[in-house]
Amino acid sequence: DVKVTQSSRYLVKRTGEKVFLECVQDMDHENMFWYRQDPGLGLRLIYFSYDVKMKEKGDIPEGYSVSREKKERFSLILESASTNQTSMYLCASSPEIPGANVLTFGAGSRLTVL
Amino acid sequence: SQQGEEDPQALSIQEGENATMNCSYKTSINNLQWYRQNSGRGLVHLILIRSNEREKHSGRLRVTLDTSKKSSSLLITASRAADTASYFCALRGAGNTGKLIFGQGTTLQVKP
Repeated sequence: DVKVTQSSRYLVKRTGEKVFLECVQDMDHENMFWYRQDPGLGLRLIYFSYDVKMKEKGDIPEGYSVSREKKERFSLILESASTNQTSMYLCASSPEIPGANVLTFGAGSRLTVL
Repeated sequence: SQQGEEDPQALSIQEGENATMNCSYKTSINNLQWYRQNSGRGLVHLILIRSNEREKHSGRLRVTLDTSKKSSSLLITASRAADTASYFCALRGAGNTGKLIFGQGTTLQVKP
């Protein structure tokens, strides 16, 4: 089975801290994604990557950056955490097959910024 | 935005009844997918329907796609309490980008 592993299930950080959310997939998928999920807003795409060292902004990239140095790992970075970044963060990966690009999700990382 | 809009936002039914959820969108798509999320967990893929397909089945799930109306529906037949979850549609646009854009979801409660 494809596995997407998010390093932290729950995190509590303080305003202004730098936060790293790590995501690793083990199926050699080309595409990787970071979404955040908030009540009433559904899933919103922050960034995605379709290859090593490649990244594209999603719908809400402000306040975030990403890193993909290896194919299997996609990191989300909050340079200076703020309280409005308190959310559930979901990482996903998919193969690059246009008619079959099914996403496999990690279990999520719930971040609280105090 | 090409986000899908889902309807209804919430649905409560009795076990054994059918549940229907709808997704409408505004742009051309390559495919449309449905995902399920149990409370506090990641999403799980249910079914994918391509833009040139009209209907697909998977077990108790039936998905239809009407590209002329830019809408899709997910039908869960003979629902069970274990079907209680949130259901999301996700769109892959017709361009080359690989990203999927999700709707806001429908919360389904199936009462035993």
